[in-house]
Amino acid sequence: DTAVSQTPKYLVTQMGNDKSIKCEQNLGHDTMYWYKQDSKKFLKIMFSYNNKELIINETVPNRFSPKSPDKAHLNLHINSLELGDSAVYFCASSQALGAVSGNTIYFGEGSWLTVV
Amino acid sequence: AQKITQTQPGMFVQEKEAVTLDCTYDTSDPSYGLFWYKQPSSGEMIFLIYQGSYDQQNATEGRYSLNFQKARKSANLVISASQLGDSAMYFCAMREDNFNKFYFGSGTKLNVKP
Repeated sequence: DTAVSQTPKYLVTQMGNDKSIKCEQNLGHDTMYWYKQDSKKFLKIMFSYNNKELIINETVPNRFSPKSPDKAHLNLHINSLELGDSAVYFCASSQALGAVSGNTIYFGEGSWLTVV
Repeated sequence: AQKITQTQPGMFVQEKEAVTLDCTYDTSDPSYGLFWYKQPSSGEMIFLIYQGSYDQQNATEGRYSLNFQKARKSANLVISASQLGDSAMYFCAMREDNFNKFYFGSGTKLNVKP
């Protein structure tokens, strides 16, 4: 069973469209994330949710709206897509918030978004 | 200041030799974790190894070991007996326990030559 799964894996869409990427984790983790990896492979955190509550929002344009219906799901909706949104978007999850150093972050397989 | 610095954008190593990938970090949090991830060309991020800031011994996982030098704030990854399948991007990461944020370095692209 895939621990962190995200769909779709590939998405090609036109500028101005609205699209969503879905993410689910079956690890029982409390915290979920969205990361963006640009063409230079740099990984940048976008959002983090803990038990359905937003805890990190890293100055992402408000065209990006995460939604967490429950702690196992964190979806990403993007409005009015722009060329610069083309990237790989990774969903990830980790154990509880706070002072336990051993809790690594597990990634989904990534969603390759291409805006044309 | 950058939280995680990987100064080697690319590295080459001969198959069966050992290679060290450098990573330095910056934090004032006394409790943190250090991680290495592998990203092959297929794109997935694979967790390799973890070192806690209070761990006395260097972490090892099979052919991977983490050379943790706390005073120097370095957490280098050592891959012994390199294999062709080790060719990938490698990311160093840190989690500060007080902030629950993971910081990633810019990555090192490792090429293993036959």
